[in-house]
Amino acid sequence: EDKVVQSPLSLVVHEGDTVTLNCSYEVTNFRSLLWYKQEKKAPTFLFMLTSSGIEKKSGRLSSILDKKELFSILNITATQTGDSAVYLCAAGGSNYKLTFGKGTLLTVNP
Amino acid sequence: DTGVSQNPRHKITKRGQNVTFRCDPISEHNRLYWYRQTLGQGPEFLTYFQNEAQLEKSRLLSDRFSAERPKGSFSTLEIQRTEQGDSAMYLCASSFPGTGTANTEAFFGQGTRLTVV
Repeated sequence: EDKVVQSPLSLVVHEGDTVTLNCSYEVTNFRSLLWYKQEKKAPTFLFMLTSSGIEKKSGRLSSILDKKELFSILNITATQTGDSAVYLCAAGGSNYKLTFGKGTLLTVNP
Repeated sequence: DTGVSQNPRHKITKRGQNVTFRCDPISEHNRLYWYRQTLGQGPEFLTYFQNEAQLEKSRLLSDRFSAERPKGSFSTLEIQRTEQGDSAMYLCASSFPGTGTANTEAFFGQGTRLTVV
């Protein structure tokens, strides 16, 4: 059965800190790894990664995929209170189904 | 608004009643997903359509749940004889065909929050 595990499950930091969120996956016929940010509504798309070792970057957020180790990380530098959210990792596999992890709850305190 | 649209946004029902939710995907998105999310959990896969074909259904989905996408556009999710354990946020997402075999990003609707009392 397809499986995605995120760690840590929750994290509390101060504004300005840098955080690294982890995602490991075991998915049949892996196609891509996606990161989403979820505040009190539906998840919003951040990144999709399909190739190992190529960093994707958007402002203070960046992500990279390691297909050999079945692992991805999401980095957030110079965190702000507005970064507080649940960050979800999803792996796309057979039939293009997306399997999600439980998410990492990030709290950024002023 | 060209995003994924779900109706209703909230539904309160008595145990044992049937409920139906609707999802209108982004135009031209041929893939449509239904997920269920409870507090503190990530979205849990329920079922997936490519055009009008239901390609996969989670083993977690009991026979009280049924989904349709009759013309390959909007989709409905019906829950019969609701139970309190069905209380959750039901999320719909859609995506368009990518090149090659890669996924493309799925865009989510705002969800339907179901409360079974």
